[in-house]
Amino acid sequence: GQQVMQIPQYQHVQEGEDFTTYCNSSTTLSNIQWYKQRPGGHPVFLIQLVKSGEVKKQKRLTFQFGEAKKNSSLHITATQTTDVGTYFCAGNNDMRFGAGTRLTVKP
Amino acid sequence: DAGVIQSPRHEVTEMGQEVTLRCKPISGHDYLFWYRQTMMRGLELLIYFNNNVPIDDSGMPEDRFSAKMPNASFSTLKIQPSEPRDSAVYFCASSQFRPGNSPLHFGNGTRLTVT
Repeated sequence: GQQVMQIPQYQHVQEGEDFTTYCNSSTTLSNIQWYKQRPGGHPVFLIQLVKSGEVKKQKRLTFQFGEAKKNSSLHITATQTTDVGTYFCAGNNDMRFGAGTRLTVKP
Repeated sequence: DAGVIQSPRHEVTEMGQEVTLRCKPISGHDYLFWYRQTMMRGLELLIYFNNNVPIDDSGMPEDRFSAKMPNASFSTLKIQPSEPRDSAVYFCASSQFRPGNSPLHFGNGTRLTVT
């Protein structure tokens, strides 16, 4: 199946700092989905991107799909302790997830 | 909508025993997925069904694992015989349309411990 690589694997930030995670693919993606999993919880759908260069925002979260549709990013502005969790991306239609980025936030 | 329902929430069993995990997808969802999550390997897709038919089982680790979907509202994942390395959280998820065209809705998972 298609490989989606996610970086970084871990990120520890001070509350109020920004955070970004990236998903990269060697092949062009038709779409990409982002999920968040809180510690001890299950993955929850955040958003789907379909168009080249697409940017979508959800409050402090900004999602971007690259112009070549081979990469995507999730940026969180001014992190809060409620942002703690693992963020996953899944590309195209096979629903195989990247390794995820585990975010911890120090109050 | 009750969401995806998995049972049991926790399962502790001894090596060699048969384990059956159960899942009830959201009504009206045509796709059902089974995932396994461990610290070492992350979230792995094991198998998925479309309209009760297995479509891709390439993620199923070995013959000890089997999954069935006898009807649109029920699926099972069976491990026989179980081994300690099968210890993980197993998630079931469903989606209304084909992968990538609609979001996955995950159940709360079954935490399996094989001693």
